[in-house]
Amino acid sequence: EAGVAQSPRYKIIEKRQSVAFWCNPISGHATLYWYQQILGQGPKLLIQFQNNGVVDDSQLPKDRFSAERLKGVDSTLKIQPAKLEDSAVYLCASSPSLRGGRHEQYFGPGTRLTVT
Amino acid sequence: GDSVTQMEGPVTLSEEAFLTINCTYTATGYPSLFWYVQYPGEGLQLLLKATKADDKGSNKGFEATYRKETTSFHLEKGSVQVSDSAVYFCALSYTGFQKLVFGTGTRLLVSP
Repeated sequence: EAGVAQSPRYKIIEKRQSVAFWCNPISGHATLYWYQQILGQGPKLLIQFQNNGVVDDSQLPKDRFSAERLKGVDSTLKIQPAKLEDSAVYLCASSPSLRGGRHEQYFGPGTRLTVT
Repeated sequence: GDSVTQMEGPVTLSEEAFLTINCTYTATGYPSLFWYVQYPGEGLQLLLKATKADDKGSNKGFEATYRKETTSFHLEKGSVQVSDSAVYFCALSYTGFQKLVFGTGTRLLVSP
C-alpha cells in the first residue's frame, strides 16, 4: 500500500512570508498528525485530527499556524507569517484509528522548511 | 508532564560491537513505549514497541524491555552493522490518545 505522501519536500522562504504544506495519509486512516522537528530535537506534536475534527491542537501556535482536514482525508498546514524559529522539518503521520489500542503511526518523509 | 530522556550522541561503534542506547521516561500513567528509527533522508519508522511492564519488544536484532521499576526502555543490539547507522528516537504514548512524546534522538554511527 502507498505510504504517507507529503509535498513539497523542501521549501525556502523569507521571514514574514507564508507557506503551506500538504499531506495525504494512508488510505482509510482516520487519524492524522502534524509534528514539528527542529534540528537536534525530537518531533513535537502540533495538531491531531480524527477524521475531519481536531483532537489536540494544544501546542499549535495559533497566531501564525493553521491546519485543516476538510474531507477527512488529506490535510494542509499553513504558516503565516513565518519566523526564523519556524525552520524545521514538518512531519505528517497517520494511523488507522484513535481508539481500539492501535498505536502505530506511519510517517511521511517530511517537508524541510528553511526561513531566512 | 510526560517526557522522555535519551542519552546524547553521537554513539560511535565499530561493526559487530554491542549497542546500548539508554532511554528513561516520566509519565503520569501507564504508557506504551516505542523506538523509532530515522535513516538518512527518510521518514521515521517504527522499530519496536512494548505496551506494558516487563514486555520485550524486538525487531531486526534490536531489543528493548519495558522496565516500570526503573522507568526505562533501553535499546540493545548484540552486533551492529554499518547499515544500522541512523538516528534512534525513544517515545511514549497512551491508549486512546496516541499522541507520541519523543526524546531528542540519539545518532548512531557504525564504522566498518
